[in-house]
Amino acid sequence: NAGVTQTPKFQVLKTGQSMTLQCAQDMNHNSMYWYRQDPGMGLRLIYYSASEGTTDKGEVPNGYNVSRLNKREFSLRLESAAPSQTSVYFCASSEHGGDPVLGAFFGQGTRLTVV
Amino acid sequence: QKEVEQDPGPLSVPEGAIVSLNCTYSNSAFQYFMWYRQYSRKGPELLMYTYSSGNKEDGRFTAQVDKSSKYISLFIRDSQPSDSATYLCAMSPPDSNYQLIWGAGTKLIIKP
Repeated sequence: NAGVTQTPKFQVLKTGQSMTLQCAQDMNHNSMYWYRQDPGMGLRLIYYSASEGTTDKGEVPNGYNVSRLNKREFSLRLESAAPSQTSVYFCASSEHGGDPVLGAFFGQGTRLTVV
Repeated sequence: QKEVEQDPGPLSVPEGAIVSLNCTYSNSAFQYFMWYRQYSRKGPELLMYTYSSGNKEDGRFTAQVDKSSKYISLFIRDSQPSDSATYLCAMSPPDSNYQLIWGAGTKLIIKP
Protein backbone atom coordinates (compact mmCIF):
# COMPACT_ATOMS: atom_id res chain seq x y z
CA ASN A 1 0.00 0.00 0.00
CA ALA A 2 2.15 2.88 -1.32
CA GLY A 3 -0.01 5.94 -0.47
CA VAL A 4 1.82 9.07 -1.62
CA THR A 5 5.15 8.56 -3.38
CA GLN A 6 7.64 11.36 -3.97
CA THR A 7 10.75 11.30 -6.12
CA PRO A 8 13.55 12.05 -5.66
CA LYS A 9 14.13 11.77 -1.90
CA PHE A 10 17.25 13.94 -1.96
CA GLN A 11 18.59 16.49 -4.45
CA VAL A 12 21.39 19.04 -4.58
CA LEU A 13 21.08 21.80 -7.17
CA LYS A 14 23.26 24.67 -8.18
CA THR A 15 21.77 28.14 -8.22
CA GLY A 16 19.94 28.69 -11.50
CA GLN A 17 19.38 25.02 -12.29
CA SER A 18 15.90 23.68 -12.83
CA MET A 19 14.25 20.50 -11.65
CA THR A 20 10.89 18.81 -11.26
CA LEU A 21 9.70 17.06 -8.13
CA GLN A 22 7.35 14.19 -8.86
CA CYS A 23 4.42 13.03 -6.75
CA ALA A 24 1.95 10.21 -7.27
CA GLN A 25 -0.87 8.91 -5.08
CA ASP A 26 -2.73 5.63 -5.38
CA MET A 27 -5.68 6.41 -3.09
CA ASN A 28 -7.92 7.89 -5.81
CA HIS A 29 -7.92 11.23 -3.98
CA ASN A 30 -9.25 14.33 -5.70
CA SER A 31 -7.05 16.95 -4.07
CA MET A 32 -3.29 17.20 -4.02
CA TYR A 33 -0.90 19.67 -2.40
CA TRP A 34 2.70 20.78 -2.35
CA TYR A 35 4.14 22.12 0.91
CA ARG A 36 7.55 23.22 2.01
CA GLN A 37 8.79 22.77 5.57
CA ASP A 38 11.52 24.97 7.01
CA PRO A 39 12.88 25.01 10.57
CA GLY A 40 10.75 27.16 12.86
CA MET A 41 8.27 27.95 10.08
CA GLY A 42 5.86 25.04 10.02
CA LEU A 43 4.39 23.77 6.79
CA ARG A 44 3.60 26.34 4.11
CA LEU A 45 1.38 25.61 1.15
CA ILE A 46 3.00 26.29 -2.22
CA TYR A 47 0.28 25.15 -4.64
CA TYR A 48 -2.70 22.89 -4.50
CA SER A 49 -4.97 21.14 -6.94
CA ALA A 50 -8.54 20.79 -5.75
CA SER A 51 -9.37 18.35 -8.52
CA GLU A 52 -7.94 17.02 -11.75
CA GLY A 53 -7.52 19.89 -14.20
CA THR A 54 -7.32 22.70 -11.63
CA THR A 55 -4.41 24.27 -9.78
CA ASP A 56 -4.27 27.24 -7.42
CA LYS A 57 -1.64 29.22 -5.60
CA GLY A 58 -1.05 28.73 -1.93
CA GLU A 59 0.81 30.88 0.55
CA VAL A 60 4.28 30.83 -1.09
CA PRO A 61 3.97 30.18 -4.86
CA ASN A 62 6.73 32.47 -6.16
CA GLY A 63 9.51 30.60 -7.96
CA TYR A 64 7.43 27.46 -8.49
CA ASN A 65 5.10 26.00 -11.07
CA VAL A 66 2.91 22.92 -10.90
CA SER A 67 1.21 20.48 -13.23
CA ARG A 68 -1.66 18.16 -12.37
CA LEU A 69 -0.82 15.57 -14.97
CA ASN A 70 -3.79 13.33 -14.16
CA LYS A 71 -5.72 12.33 -11.06
CA ARG A 72 -2.74 10.43 -9.65
CA GLU A 73 0.15 12.77 -10.37
CA PHE A 74 1.03 16.32 -9.31
CA SER A 75 4.48 17.71 -10.10
CA LEU A 76 6.31 20.76 -8.77
CA ARG A 77 8.86 22.56 -10.93
CA LEU A 78 11.61 24.95 -9.93
CA GLU A 79 12.60 26.85 -13.06
CA SER A 80 15.65 28.64 -11.67
CA ALA A 81 16.59 27.38 -8.23
CA ALA A 82 17.69 29.82 -5.53
CA PRO A 83 19.32 29.14 -2.14
CA SER A 84 16.08 30.38 -0.48
CA GLN A 85 14.37 27.32 -1.94
CA THR A 86 16.51 24.99 0.16
CA SER A 87 13.85 23.12 2.13
CA VAL A 88 12.03 19.85 2.64
CA TYR A 89 9.17 19.51 0.17
CA PHE A 90 6.11 17.43 0.93
CA CYS A 91 3.39 16.31 -1.40
CA ALA A 92 0.03 15.42 0.12
CA SER A 93 -3.38 14.26 -1.03
CA SER A 94 -6.87 14.27 0.45
CA GLU A 95 -10.16 12.75 -0.53
CA HIS A 96 -12.85 15.42 -0.64
CA GLY A 97 -11.83 18.81 -1.89
CA GLY A 98 -9.54 19.56 0.99
CA ASP A 99 -12.05 18.65 3.69
CA PRO A 100 -9.84 19.08 6.73
CA VAL A 101 -11.86 16.54 8.67
CA LEU A 102 -10.51 13.78 6.49
CA GLY A 103 -6.98 15.02 6.82
CA ALA A 104 -4.23 14.85 4.29
CA PHE A 105 -1.90 11.95 3.58
CA PHE A 106 1.71 13.00 3.13
CA GLY A 107 4.61 11.57 1.19
CA GLN A 108 8.00 11.08 2.80
CA GLY A 109 9.42 14.33 1.51
CA THR A 110 12.17 15.55 -0.82
CA ARG A 111 15.18 17.17 0.83
CA LEU A 112 16.40 19.84 -1.57
CA THR A 113 19.59 21.83 -1.14
CA VAL A 114 20.43 24.70 -3.48
CA VAL A 115 24.07 25.80 -3.40
CA GLN B 1 3.01 37.67 15.01
CA LYS B 2 2.29 34.21 13.61
CA GLU B 3 -1.33 33.10 13.45
CA VAL B 4 -0.46 29.88 15.25
CA GLU B 5 2.22 29.67 17.92
CA GLN B 6 3.77 26.46 19.16
CA ASP B 7 6.74 25.98 21.49
CA PRO B 8 9.43 24.16 19.47
CA GLY B 9 10.82 22.30 22.49
CA PRO B 10 12.38 19.85 22.74
CA LEU B 11 10.16 18.55 25.53
CA SER B 12 11.83 15.62 27.28
CA VAL B 13 9.84 13.47 29.73
CA PRO B 14 10.28 10.00 31.26
CA GLU B 15 8.36 7.03 29.94
CA GLY B 16 4.91 6.73 31.51
CA ALA B 17 4.50 10.47 32.15
CA ILE B 18 1.52 12.51 31.02
CA VAL B 19 2.51 14.87 28.22
CA SER B 20 0.81 18.16 27.43
CA LEU B 21 1.42 19.81 24.06
CA ASN B 22 -0.11 23.18 23.26
CA CYS B 23 -0.82 25.72 20.55
CA THR B 24 -2.18 29.23 20.76
CA TYR B 25 -3.81 31.02 17.87
CA SER B 26 -5.03 34.49 17.01
CA ASN B 27 -7.88 33.94 14.52
CA SER B 28 -11.12 33.30 16.37
CA ALA B 29 -12.72 32.09 13.12
CA PHE B 30 -10.72 28.85 12.98
CA GLN B 31 -13.10 25.89 12.92
CA TYR B 32 -11.23 22.59 12.73
CA PHE B 33 -8.25 21.89 14.95
CA MET B 34 -5.93 19.06 14.03
CA TRP B 35 -2.90 17.37 15.50
CA TYR B 36 -0.35 15.70 13.26
CA ARG B 37 2.57 13.55 14.34
CA GLN B 38 5.79 13.61 12.37
CA TYR B 39 8.56 11.10 12.92
CA SER B 40 12.09 12.07 11.94
CA ARG B 41 12.56 12.20 8.16
CA LYS B 42 8.94 11.24 7.51
CA GLY B 43 5.84 13.10 6.42
CA PRO B 44 3.25 14.24 8.96
CA GLU B 45 0.33 11.91 9.72
CA LEU B 46 -3.04 12.96 11.09
CA LEU B 47 -3.39 11.94 14.73
CA MET B 48 -6.76 13.43 15.62
CA TYR B 49 -8.96 16.45 15.14
CA THR B 50 -11.71 18.37 16.88
CA TYR B 51 -14.36 20.70 15.56
CA SER B 52 -15.02 23.93 17.47
CA SER B 53 -14.70 23.63 21.25
CA GLY B 54 -14.54 20.63 23.52
CA ASN B 55 -12.60 17.46 24.09
CA LYS B 56 -12.00 14.36 22.03
CA GLU B 57 -10.39 11.18 23.26
CA ASP B 58 -8.74 8.40 21.28
CA GLY B 59 -6.95 5.78 23.32
CA ARG B 60 -4.07 7.43 25.15
CA PHE B 61 -4.59 10.73 23.32
CA THR B 62 -6.94 13.57 24.24
CA ALA B 63 -7.38 16.73 22.19
CA GLN B 64 -8.85 19.79 23.86
CA VAL B 65 -9.97 23.10 22.38
CA ASP B 66 -10.65 26.25 24.41
CA LYS B 67 -11.95 28.79 21.93
CA SER B 68 -12.45 31.48 24.58
CA SER B 69 -8.70 31.40 25.30
CA LYS B 70 -7.70 30.54 21.71
CA TYR B 71 -5.73 27.60 23.04
CA ILE B 72 -5.59 23.96 22.05
CA SER B 73 -3.91 21.05 23.77
CA LEU B 74 -2.95 17.47 23.09
CA PHE B 75 -2.52 15.20 26.10
CA ILE B 76 -0.71 11.88 25.90
CA ARG B 77 -1.21 9.47 28.80
CA ASP B 78 1.22 6.69 29.67
CA SER B 79 3.75 8.06 27.20
CA GLN B 80 5.92 5.55 25.35
CA PRO B 81 9.32 5.92 23.62
CA SER B 82 7.47 5.33 20.34
CA ASP B 83 5.63 8.61 20.97
CA SER B 84 8.91 10.47 20.43
CA ALA B 85 8.24 12.67 17.41
CA THR B 86 7.41 16.23 16.42
CA TYR B 87 3.78 17.17 16.99
CA LEU B 88 2.25 19.75 14.67
CA CYS B 89 -1.02 21.55 15.23
CA ALA B 90 -3.01 22.77 12.23
CA MET B 91 -6.20 24.80 11.92
CA SER B 92 -8.65 25.52 9.15
CA PRO B 93 -10.03 28.98 8.45
CA PRO B 94 -13.73 29.12 7.44
CA ASP B 95 -13.01 30.72 4.06
CA SER B 96 -10.79 27.94 2.75
CA ASN B 97 -10.85 24.18 3.04
CA TYR B 98 -7.48 23.91 1.35
CA GLN B 99 -5.16 26.23 3.20
CA LEU B 100 -4.49 24.91 6.66
CA ILE B 101 -2.56 27.16 9.05
CA TRP B 102 0.22 25.21 10.73
CA GLY B 103 2.18 25.53 13.92
CA ALA B 104 5.93 25.02 13.65
CA GLY B 105 5.81 21.83 15.75
CA THR B 106 6.98 20.70 19.18
CA LYS B 107 9.67 18.04 19.37
CA LEU B 108 8.82 15.45 22.04
CA ILE B 109 11.35 13.01 23.50
CA ILE B 110 10.19 10.16 25.73
CA LYS B 111 13.09 8.74 27.74
CA PRO B 112 12.94 4.98 28.53
